[in-house]
Amino acid sequence: DTAVSQTPKYLVTQMGNDKSIKCEQNLGHDTMYWYKQDSKKFLKIMFSYNNKELIINETVPNRFSPKSPDKAHLNLHINSLELGDSAVYFCASRSPGVSEQFFGPGTRLTVL
Amino acid sequence: SQQGEEDPQALSIQEGENATMNCSYKTSINNLQWYRQNSGRGLVHLILIRSNEREKHSGRLRVTLDTSKKSSSLLITASRAADTASYFCATDGEGGNKLVFGAGTILRVKS
Repeated sequence: DTAVSQTPKYLVTQMGNDKSIKCEQNLGHDTMYWYKQDSKKFLKIMFSYNNKELIINETVPNRFSPKSPDKAHLNLHINSLELGDSAVYFCASRSPGVSEQFFGPGTRLTVL
Repeated sequence: SQQGEEDPQALSIQEGENATMNCSYKTSINNLQWYRQNSGRGLVHLILIRSNEREKHSGRLRVTLDTSKKSSSLLITASRAADTASYFCATDGEGGNKLVFGAGTILRVKS
């Protein structure tokens, strides 16, 4: 009965490849997020969706494209992967009017 | 730019001791939150303090907020080995739609 789940947990790929990370939440939340955590553990927001609508798009290369097929899912597709994309990517969600966010376990992406 | 700065960057203490972590931020806030991240795991929400509150308690956690100094502290009393983790403060931004995280404090509690 995992609240926020992500797949895969680990992703190792070559530079130039295209890959996707999936996120699902069963909490009934309306808002979902993608964060990137770098090697120094600094956590930065990338995107936020509210009820399938994009509401936050930080300065992220357009090689990153989020997709929300429904409010329980937020996927992240990355084109033409670069070495600098290596990081841990976290999905999170929250309920309307509540600040607390619930995080998934993370996807560790390694680009070789 | 990074919103929050935390100090210390790393803290090592003996089990039973208290641990204090500090966080500073730059803009006005509605609330400030603290999260814990165990190694290789996602973040877990610990406590939220609103901008009109000065202190809040939850179990062994005590959080203070000084909006005039734009700073907060997290105190963990009677620490346990299981408290070993990274601790992050986060402030709300964009009308509460996003969190801006500090750099985190790595806490190690030795048994």
